[in-house]
Amino acid sequence: AQSVTQLGSHVSVSEGALVLLRCNYSSSVPPYLFWYVQYPNQGLQLLLKYTSAATLVKGINGFEAEFKKSETSFHLTKPSAHMSDAAEYFCAVIHCSNYKLTFGKGTLLTVNP
Amino acid sequence: ETGVTQSPTHLIKTRGQQVTLRCSSQSGHNTVSWYQQALGQGPQFIFQYYREEENGRGNFPPRFSGLQFPNYSSELNVNALELDDSALYLCASSLDAGDTQYFGPGTRLTVL
Repeated sequence: AQSVTQLGSHVSVSEGALVLLRCNYSSSVPPYLFWYVQYPNQGLQLLLKYTSAATLVKGINGFEAEFKKSETSFHLTKPSAHMSDAAEYFCAVIHCSNYKLTFGKGTLLTVNP
Repeated sequence: ETGVTQSPTHLIKTRGQQVTLRCSSQSGHNTVSWYQQALGQGPQFIFQYYREEENGRGNFPPRFSGLQFPNYSSELNVNALELDDSALYLCASSLDAGDTQYFGPGTRLTVL
C-alpha cells in the first residue's frame, strides 16, 4: 500500500526565512507525488507534482520539491517565506490501481513578521 | 476556463437525514473524485467516477453513494446522516482517470 508521512504538524518561520516542509513516502512502485496547499475555509490548490521526470520539481508561488528515492522523501521548500504562504500543506501519493490520492495529515505553516 | 465548482457552500442537517452535494467538473474533464476532510485531518478518498461509472471506492459505508451525469458533473449522496459525517466534502476533477486532480472549494456539512 502507498502512503505518505508528513513530519511536523506545525512549522513556524519568520518572513524571509527558508521554508522546509517534510514528506516521506512508502510505495512498492515508482510513485506519483503531489503537494497541495489549503488556505483557511478553502479547497486544495495544486502546488506541484512529481511524475517520474525531473527529480527537482518547480511549482507555483516559488515552491519546489526534490524527489529522493534513496531517502524516500519529497520535501517542499521555498527560499524566502512570505506572509501569504501561511496555510496548511498536504503531501499526497496516487494509487495506480484506483487513482485515489492518499494524503498526509498536513503541516500548518505560520509565517511571523 | 471554469474551474471545479461545488454547491452548496455550507449546509446544516440533523442526524438521520439525507443530503445531496453537487459538483461541476472542469471543462473537458471526464473523471470526478470525492473526498471527506474531517477537521484537522487530511482528505480521505470516498470514491471516483469515470465516464459515469464508479471507478474505485474508499473505506466508506454504502450509505455514501454517488452519480456522474453525461456532462460529467457529479453528486454525492449520504443517507442516514451521523454526527461523524460533519466534515468538508471536496470534489476533484481530472482530465482522465489517473491524471492530476483539481479540487473545488468544498461543501461544509454540519450534522447536529
